[in-house]
Amino acid sequence: DAGVTQSPTHLIKTRGQHVTLRCSPISGHKSVSWYQQVLGQGPQFIFQYYEKEERGRGNFPDRFSARQFPNYSSELNVNALLLGDSALYLCASSWGTGDGYTFGSGTRLTVV
Amino acid sequence: EDQVTQSPEALRLQEGESSSLNCSYTVSGLRGLFWYRQDPGKGPEFLFTLYSAGEEKEKERLKATLTKKESFLHITAPKPEDSATYLCAVHYTDKLIFGTGTRLQVFP
Repeated sequence: DAGVTQSPTHLIKTRGQHVTLRCSPISGHKSVSWYQQVLGQGPQFIFQYYEKEERGRGNFPDRFSARQFPNYSSELNVNALLLGDSALYLCASSWGTGDGYTFGSGTRLTVV
Repeated sequence: EDQVTQSPEALRLQEGESSSLNCSYTVSGLRGLFWYRQDPGKGPEFLFTLYSAGEEKEKERLKATLTKKESFLHITAPKPEDSATYLCAVHYTDKLIFGTGTRLQVFP
């Protein structure tokens, strides 16, 4: 079975641009969470979606938004990129909101 | 403030030299404690979930234990392929709160 799939794996953006990151959860999993991991730190919670509804939001500015589609895949959007948004963005899927979380390999975003 | 602290930040071991990593937390209403392994540039790989004090789980050379305020990841006779960052996370409401990890290097 395929694990959690994230795309793209790497991308480089310029300050002020917009970016969309994509995640496909494990088949049968209905929850997707997004995390930001800055080099040398642990992942920080951004959003959780379950059954296409936002269930949780971390301490990130409104430039960050997300959504979940009927097939349970998800997008994370970041507007007006800042240098500090450079990080590894991780998607995690789970069957429900309180189960074990399986992470994808992440998208490495570099803002220049 | 809900917090997860891991120690040490970095650990260098000779192959076969057993040791323990610590994860302490100050989260009320804990729904579970997770251990993950992360290789450079990769996503975290699930190792264990612990739910209640006194619980223990093992996998190959790794053993995780949980008390009311901390968890330990014991590594017995480590091998170079065990080199990675080990992350601890507590499950709190709708999210995982991670520590900053322990970077483990095992030398032959």
